[in-house]
Amino acid sequence: EPEVTQTPSHQVTQMGQEVILRCVPISNHLYFYWYRQILGQKVEFLVSFYNNEISEKSEIFDDQFSVERPDGSNFTLKIRSTKLEDSAMYFCASRLAGGLNTQYFGPGTRLTVL
Amino acid sequence: SQKIEQNSEALNIQEGKTATLTCNYTNYSPAYLQWYRQDPGRGPVFLLLIRENEKEKRKERLKVTFDTTLKQSLFHITASQPADSATYLCALPNTGFQKLVFGTGTRLLVSP
Repeated sequence: EPEVTQTPSHQVTQMGQEVILRCVPISNHLYFYWYRQILGQKVEFLVSFYNNEISEKSEIFDDQFSVERPDGSNFTLKIRSTKLEDSAMYFCASRLAGGLNTQYFGPGTRLTVL
Repeated sequence: SQKIEQNSEALNIQEGKTATLTCNYTNYSPAYLQWYRQDPGRGPVFLLLIRENEKEKRKERLKVTFDTTLKQSLFHITASQPADSATYLCALPNTGFQKLVFGTGTRLLVSP
C-alpha cells in the first residue's frame, strides 16, 4: 500500500540554523500539507499546498517557514532560522483531489532545536 | 472560533470490553467528521469518516456515530484488544475544506 515517507526521522540543530524537512507524498495525490505536534499537545495545521502554490497557511507559518515542491515527487518544509520553540514532530500529509478531505500522514520528523 | 473537545484523561479498559470515546465540537457545523489513530512518535492514521447525514458508520470492530444536534461524535471499539491501545483523534475539516482541525485526542489503554 502506498505511504507518505519523510526524512530524516530525527533532526537536531542549533538555534538560528536552517533546516529542511523532506517528504515524498503518495504519488497520485495532489494536495500536500505540513502539520506539527509539540510534545504532549495536539496536531496543528501549518500549511496546505496545491497546484504549486500555498492554498492556506496558519498563523504559525510565518516568514521563517517556506514550502516547495522542487520536482514531481518531493515536498519540503524549510525553517530559515530555527528557534527553541520550533522543537516538535513535523508531519507531512497528502490527499487525492476531489472527494472528502481524508489525509494520509507520514511517520514524522522529530526536530530538536538546541 | 472552532473548538473540538476530547476527554484528555486516559481511558483504561479490560480486553474484550467496548471502549467509547467522545468528541464534542462548538462554533462549527461540519459536513463530516473523521477519526484517526496515533501511536507514540508516529503520524495519525485515518480510521473512519462519517458524513453529517449519516447517523452511524461501521468498519470491522469500529463504530462511529455523529449527532449534529448535540454536536457530538462517539467512537466505539468493540471486543477491544491490547493492540488497540493508542491515542484516538477526532478531526474536522475547516470551512475551506483544506486543513484538518484536530482534537487533543484521548489515550486508550486496553489491559489483558
